[in-house]
Amino acid sequence: AQSVTQPDIHITVSEGASLELRCNYSYGATPYLFWYVQSPGQGLQLLLKYFSGDTLVQGIKGFEAEFKRSQSSFNLRKPSVHWSDAAEYFCAVGFHTGRRALTFGSGTRLQVQP
Amino acid sequence: GAGVSQSPSNKVTEKGKDVELRCDPISGHTALYWYRQSLGQGLEFLIYFQGNSAPDKSGLPSDRFSAERTGGSVSTLTIQRTQQEDSAVYLCASSLVRAAGDTQYFGPGTRLTVL
Repeated sequence: AQSVTQPDIHITVSEGASLELRCNYSYGATPYLFWYVQSPGQGLQLLLKYFSGDTLVQGIKGFEAEFKRSQSSFNLRKPSVHWSDAAEYFCAVGFHTGRRALTFGSGTRLQVQP
Repeated sequence: GAGVSQSPSNKVTEKGKDVELRCDPISGHTALYWYRQSLGQGLEFLIYFQGNSAPDKSGLPSDRFSAERTGGSVSTLTIQRTQQEDSAVYLCASSLVRAAGDTQYFGPGTRLTVL
């Protein structure tokens, strides 16, 4: 069965430090890949997505992610974290055929220290 | 433009009562999804509507859960005889269905608490 793994449940970084959130998927073919962010009490906001083409994708709020086929990974990065980035981050995969619903990882909660 | 809206934002109910949750998708979006987010969990797919096709109900956890979409727009998720384990945030999303890939846009969710 398809699955998405976010191995880090909780990460704490200092403001201004770099950030990398990990995401691995298990699927026979290359899926569509997404990162969403959820602030407390809010819905999910799309940060970025990968459908095809350039494996390094840029998103909103200074985030980027790199698709690595050989590692089945789609890690999210930001060079300098801001206090407002504190939130929960979800990686999700969608598929080219069949069920259109997304499969989500369990999320990584980011805490930013001043 | 307006995003996905959901109502109510919060719902508290007693065990055994029925509840209805509403979703208004983005205008023109043909696909609509319901997901459930339990405390500390990721999102769990519930049901998917696409145009006039039969909905994909494969994620509904029990026959107490049902959903309909009227006129290809507004959707209502109904939970009958609610149980405490139904307490969760229910999220709705909509998208345009494209061959090259869909992007789902989410509403703010309805937080359901079953006492």
